[in-house]
Amino acid sequence: QAVVTQEPSLTVSPGGTVTLTCGSSTGAVTSGHYPYWFQQKPGQAPRTLIYDTSNKHSWTPARFSGSLLGGKAALTLSGAQPEDEADYYCLLSSSGDRVFGGGTKLTVL
Amino acid sequence: EVQLVESGGGLVQPGGSLRLSCSASGFTFSSFAMHWVRQAPGKGLEYVSAITSNGVSTYYADSVKGRFTISRDNSKNTLYLQMSSLRAEDTAVYYCVKDRKSTLARPGFDFWGQGTLVTVSS
Repeated sequence: QAVVTQEPSLTVSPGGTVTLTCGSSTGAVTSGHYPYWFQQKPGQAPRTLIYDTSNKHSWTPARFSGSLLGGKAALTLSGAQPEDEADYYCLLSSSGDRVFGGGTKLTVL
Repeated sequence: EVQLVESGGGLVQPGGSLRLSCSASGFTFSSFAMHWVRQAPGKGLEYVSAITSNGVSTYYADSVKGRFTISRDNSKNTLYLQMSSLRAEDTAVYYCVKDRKSTLARPGFDFWGQGTLVTVSS
């Protein structure tokens, strides 16, 4: 089973832009891994932000976008808001397995 | 409005059993696959199990295979997770998650429940 890696922590200034990445131990991440991104605020359940690399749900703020970047899945936040401070998890699928990354703690400061 | 309400969590001794339920409303439950995801205290998310809309096909993570059984009752709009031979490392909040599709060919998470805490301890 693949190991999915994320930055443990990142900091972004209010109004700034930050990119979180999601890599796989088995090689480059492709659209065939159907990358997902989830946001979890303290004391809350996760919520789904991005599916299938770059698709947004109706509740996903426009400032979030998903892509493939340098062999990894990427979540870009443009114009960070204080309420975006949270843990972010990615999920990759491979050979029927679904594996979460360890999560990135994003601080808006 | 989609609602997923988990129940059945609690304190159980190692080696014991517990059945979690997820009551669904606000959508046609029988049309969508469903998932269980867990999160140990202070840790990240772990994918546990999944079931197709008709209940025919299931998936289990290696960590729970042979100990947990996922099932659903479409007449009651309820998803279940029967957990047995519980270990301390099964201690976690267990989330019920709705899929966007009926099958498990591709992941399709959308809505999450609020979770129920399972504590395995003597």
